[in-house]
Amino acid sequence: DAGVTQSPTHLIKTRGQHVTLRCSPISGHKSVSWYQQVLGQGPQFIFQYYEKEERGRGNFPDRFSARQFPNYSSELNVNALLLGDSALYLCASSLEAGTSYGYTFGSGTRLTVV
Amino acid sequence: QKEVEQDPGPLSVPEGAIVSLNCTYSNSAFQYFMWYRQYSRKGPELLMYTYSSGNKEDGRFTAQVDKSSKYISLFIRDSQPSDSATYLCAMSPVPQGAQKLVFGQGTRLTINP
Repeated sequence: DAGVTQSPTHLIKTRGQHVTLRCSPISGHKSVSWYQQVLGQGPQFIFQYYEKEERGRGNFPDRFSARQFPNYSSELNVNALLLGDSALYLCASSLEAGTSYGYTFGSGTRLTVV
Repeated sequence: QKEVEQDPGPLSVPEGAIVSLNCTYSNSAFQYFMWYRQYSRKGPELLMYTYSSGNKEDGRFTAQVDKSSKYISLFIRDSQPSDSATYLCAMSPVPQGAQKLVFGQGTRLTINP
């Protein structure tokens, strides 16, 4: 059974550009969460989506947005990229929104902003 | 002050040693406590989770939670080189709607053969 799939695995962008990261959850999982992990730090919560609705948002600027599709896959969009957005972006899926201990993480997308 | 504090290490021990990893936290609303293992260039993998206070054992791993002290620990017995990774503690409040995990900084652990 496939795990959480994220694409692309690596990405290099220039300051000011826009980026879209994609996530496919485990089959049957309806909740997707996004985390940002800066090198040497723990992951920071960005968004959670459940049944296509935003259920939670972390302390990130409006340049960050996301959405969930009818097949439960998700996109994370970041506008006007800054050097500080360079990080590993992790997607996690779970069966429902309230079972955070049941997260399964993908391997992440490593974004480098130059 | 960060909600969750974790010594980043690095921590280096010989194979077979008992490893103790710890986190402290400030938010008394946290009820669920987790330990994740993260290998280089990979996403975190759930190792252990506990609800409220107490101990939980799974093979060579034991998780302890002391809510009165706001302190959690992960013990690894008979450590193996394959245990070399970054270990992240994570916590969340009682599930009500949106759930986020609050992570510690992670401790980089190396087990030397």
